[in-house]
Amino acid sequence: ETGVTQSPTHLIKTRGQQVTLRCSSQSGHNTVSWYQQALGQGPQFIFQYYREEENGRGNFPPRFSGLQFPNYSSELNVNALELDDSALYLCASGPQGSGNTIYFGEGSWLTVV
Amino acid sequence: QKEVEQNSGPLSVPEGAIASLNCTYSDRGSQSFFWYRQYSGKSPELIMSIYSNGDKEDGRFTAQLNKASQYVSLLIRDSQPSDSATYLCAVNMWDQAGTALIFGKGTTLSVSS
Repeated sequence: ETGVTQSPTHLIKTRGQQVTLRCSSQSGHNTVSWYQQALGQGPQFIFQYYREEENGRGNFPPRFSGLQFPNYSSELNVNALELDDSALYLCASGPQGSGNTIYFGEGSWLTVV
Repeated sequence: QKEVEQNSGPLSVPEGAIASLNCTYSDRGSQSFFWYRQYSGKSPELIMSIYSNGDKEDGRFTAQLNKASQYVSLLIRDSQPSDSATYLCAVNMWDQAGTALIFGKGTTLSVSS
């Protein structure tokens, strides 16, 4: 049990649509990040949020955006979905003071058709 | 651009043997190193972290770090069929603490009974 929960577990969207994925992390985990994991690949860092502001982004276009809320929940929004966006989306957080140690939620499987 | 390289495998070992998983990284300044285990269809699970040169043992798992050679490995002693999974190596993306990690593509381990 990592204390990181995600929803929904699975969803199917049509190309061009928008999707919102949700994550809830533990109290005290004030940094949250999102990763994309395509089939057969390792997770790729999308961005991280600290105290409700984005403070780091990987190599992902602006149509990937996020929000972090005071209650340790966060969202990943993806606009103008493309077929290549089909992947497992992982939310991760870690205890303050643990360096770079992070724990993942169960993930949201997104299929774009 | 920082990179993490792993042999994709599959690595096949008999039950009871030692499994050795290897990882190299490109940035000599990397400070934090992690091994995650990922069962098929599940999210990655943190099994080991290591920050200093040398060995770190936790039960049947031993992580080994050699910063001069930019090499980190994971040994699994007395391998069990339940260890069959993909093992992901990860390093910190930035110098400051946070949740941004760079992952390798993973090595698939198969333990036969």
